[in-house]
Amino acid sequence: NAGVTQTPKFRILKIGQSMTLQCTQDMNHNYMYWYRQDPGMGLKLIYYSVGAGITDKGEVPNGYNVSRSTTEDFPLRLELAAPSQTSVYFCASKKGGGNQPQHFGDGTRLSIL
Amino acid sequence: DQQVKQNSPSLSVQEGRISILNCDYTNSMFDYFLWYKKYPAEGPTFLISISSIKDKNEDGRFTVFLNKSAKHLSLHIVPSQPGDSAVYFCAASANFGNEKLTFGTGTRLTIIP
Repeated sequence: NAGVTQTPKFRILKIGQSMTLQCTQDMNHNYMYWYRQDPGMGLKLIYYSVGAGITDKGEVPNGYNVSRSTTEDFPLRLELAAPSQTSVYFCASKKGGGNQPQHFGDGTRLSIL
Repeated sequence: DQQVKQNSPSLSVQEGRISILNCDYTNSMFDYFLWYKKYPAEGPTFLISISSIKDKNEDGRFTVFLNKSAKHLSLHIVPSQPGDSAVYFCAASANFGNEKLTFGTGTRLTIIP
């Protein structure tokens, strides 16, 4: 049972480069989320989606973009990488609305040099 | 503005004793609270949750207590085991239809054999 799968696990980027962090889930979950975690901090929400074709900003969306063309996939795009985007990125999903826990992937560790 | 606070960055407990992790929140709209456990290089794993209509929820060795008037919740682990050594995050959400999670900064629990 794969759950939430994130790729790549690690990546080093140069300032100004772009990349896409991939997230896919095989649980037929409607809700998906992207968080970032900086050292010594909690997770902060970047973007979320409540279904295919629907996305919205979270707490820290600047410098990122998302799309949700299918239920399974929720990629996160960095267009012009900056050192402040060095972080660990987590994708999460849950079935639908109401009080249910989110299920997380194992994260992508991204360094911008 | 830290809406969910975990004021103890670390906690050490003897194996077999009770571990008590604390969490405070400021947003009175929060109505669902969760605890996640995180090992290094892995994503957060859901542990236990509680709805605001309850003041206690129990699952095996784990019990979460909610004091709404004090805006405080706690996680009790008894008896503590070496495998419980991890970082524990408290999270909260308000039922606005997207259930975005707001996380605390985490408490690193170390169980001493």
